[in-house]
Amino acid sequence: KNEVEQSPQNLTAQEGEFITINCSYSVGISALHWLQQHPGGGIVSLFMLSSGKKKHGRLIATINIQEKHSSLHITASHPRDSAVYICAVPNTDKLIFGTGTRLQVFP
Amino acid sequence: EADIYQTPRYLVIGTGKKITLECSQTMGHDKMYWYQQDPGMELHLIHYSYGVNSTEKGDLSSESTVSRIRTEHFPLTLESARPSHTSQYLCASSEYGNTEAFFGQGTRLTVV
Repeated sequence: KNEVEQSPQNLTAQEGEFITINCSYSVGISALHWLQQHPGGGIVSLFMLSSGKKKHGRLIATINIQEKHSSLHITASHPRDSAVYICAVPNTDKLIFGTGTRLQVFP
Repeated sequence: EADIYQTPRYLVIGTGKKITLECSQTMGHDKMYWYQQDPGMELHLIHYSYGVNSTEKGDLSSESTVSRIRTEHFPLTLESARPSHTSQYLCASSEYGNTEAFFGQGTRLTVV
């Protein structure tokens, strides 16, 4: 069993739909990262959060430390949101990555 | 915007050639990392560094080597490239004691 698991692995949506991507982890953590990787390959850090909720534009990330679960929500999805979304948790000096969720938003 | 740069972005090279992938950051971060990512697969840590003159092997065995002579630079070298080295290589950095990581754009390497 992976220490960080994401669901779903693949997700397709129509433009405007509300998107939820889930991440569960089995290790104790101080914070969790949500990352975005576009087809070109570069990775952008979206959020680092240790409790509660963070919002940036149409993106919302929540975390429940007790349940070891985090969600990434995208409101009013747009084709430019199409990317791979990855959650990651720190383990000593390293990050443990989930396998990613591939999101495709169609117009 | 993160100030971490990788060059080249794309590289196609013949078997047996020596190559160096460059990674530079201007944020003064002590910790730097190299990850390898095959298409559609998760990232695997292959090397990391705590600071100048510090290098450590990561979780995934790699035939590559790294050096950290200056804080800003963390180059990765393959002495003799093979087709099995074809992959994407991502560099990242973070402040010591702070786990937020900043990633470069990646180098997509193809060995023919």
